[in-house]
Amino acid sequence: ENVLTQSPGTLSLSPGERATLSCRASQSVSSSSLAWYQQKPGQTPRLLIYGASSRATGIPDRFSGSGSGTDFTLTISRLEPEDFAVYYCQQYGSSPYTFGQGTKLEIK
Amino acid sequence: EVQLVESGGGLVQPGGSLRLSCEASGFTFSSYWMSWVRQAPGKGLERVASINQDGSEKYYVGSVKGRFTISRDNAKKSLYLQMNSLRAEDTAVYYCARLASGGVFDYWGQGTRVTVSS
Repeated sequence: ENVLTQSPGTLSLSPGERATLSCRASQSVSSSSLAWYQQKPGQTPRLLIYGASSRATGIPDRFSGSGSGTDFTLTISRLEPEDFAVYYCQQYGSSPYTFGQGTKLEIK
Repeated sequence: EVQLVESGGGLVQPGGSLRLSCEASGFTFSSYWMSWVRQAPGKGLERVASINQDGSEKYYVGSVKGRFTISRDNAKKSLYLQMNSLRAEDTAVYYCARLASGGVFDYWGQGTRVTVSS
């Protein structure tokens, strides 16, 4: 099983700042099959990024994904108030598909 | 607009059974793999089961094999999860999700809560 480890566990930033979230895999993720999701409290997860760097439909361009192999990054260029949430990475390059444990992005 | 609406959750005693349903609309249901993903209280996400377009291929996470059964009815645009021999560790919100692009969960339902407790 490909274990995904997200860091940091909690990130405290202010609106307007840049956020950098990390996702590290225990094995190489084939074909950059890595996705990112956002989940706000009491809400359903929302797909942000797939294929490591492609934005899903309707996702603002302040969200970007990068990386390959075992190291991936989600960057939010300028934080908006609605961006404070929990973010999960997920690999789908090998079965079983696995999720990271999440990074909570909170307002400083 | 893609919509996934789950139902069937509730409180059940350990060892009991529940059947979850998910009604889909806004897309060609029969063209997609579908999944159930769960989230235990305060925890992360876990894919529980998936089923291919015609129901001939199924995936289950190890902890539910032999207890849960995923199925679908393309005519009714519905996905199901039969859960037997429920355990306390099955307590979670269960989401119905569409699988696309080789393994991405691109649309999610609002979830249905399952609580296993005596």
